[in-house]
Amino acid sequence: EAGVAQSPRYKIIEKRQSVAFWCNPISGHATLYWYQQILGQGPKLLIQFQNNGVVDDSQLPKDRFSAERLKGVDSTLKIQPAKLEDSAVYLCASSPGGTSGGSSYNEQFFGPGTRLTVL
Amino acid sequence: KQEVTQIPAALSVPEGENLVLNCSFTDSAIYNLQWFRQDPGKGLTSLLLIQSSQREQTSGRLNASLDKSSGRSTLYIAASQPGDSATYLCAVGSRPLVFGKGTRLSVIA
Repeated sequence: EAGVAQSPRYKIIEKRQSVAFWCNPISGHATLYWYQQILGQGPKLLIQFQNNGVVDDSQLPKDRFSAERLKGVDSTLKIQPAKLEDSAVYLCASSPGGTSGGSSYNEQFFGPGTRLTVL
Repeated sequence: KQEVTQIPAALSVPEGENLVLNCSFTDSAIYNLQWFRQDPGKGLTSLLLIQSSQREQTSGRLNASLDKSSGRSTLYIAASQPGDSATYLCAVGSRPLVFGKGTRLSVIA
């Protein structure tokens, strides 16, 4: 079974430029997550989709970050304009089902991440 | 607001030792807790998932326990090996999901 795919793996941009990341979850997984991981920190959830609907985006800086999951499969995360503090690794994860308790459907599987450097 | 703390932040042990990593959380209204391993420059690898109704899960040399009432989980690693060297993260299944900062483990041969 193929894992979660992400691209690009690395990206270097100047501040105020825009950037987009792509994620392809494990086939059949309904839930998709985007995380931001700053060096030395644990991942912080930015947005969670179930199919093509948003479950949680409470920690997404909506003035500059946007995400979509068209057709409930692939997803893109965009930053426009980028700031220096956006330098981080952006991780995508997927799980088979939703967030209901008592089910193994919410086990998360992660992609390799995209390392963003903003100069 | 859920807060997750992992202690210790770093740990160095000789090969063969048994060790315990700790994860504590402030809000017991969780639906699961998942332990991950992260190697430098890599993504996260799932180790164990404990549902809110469970007390523990085991996989090989790893055992994770969950005590919701006290807001604690532990990851027990038996007979540690140099290949276990990595950062171990716990993720608390609440709204939103919250990760700890991790424990950086070094197992010395």
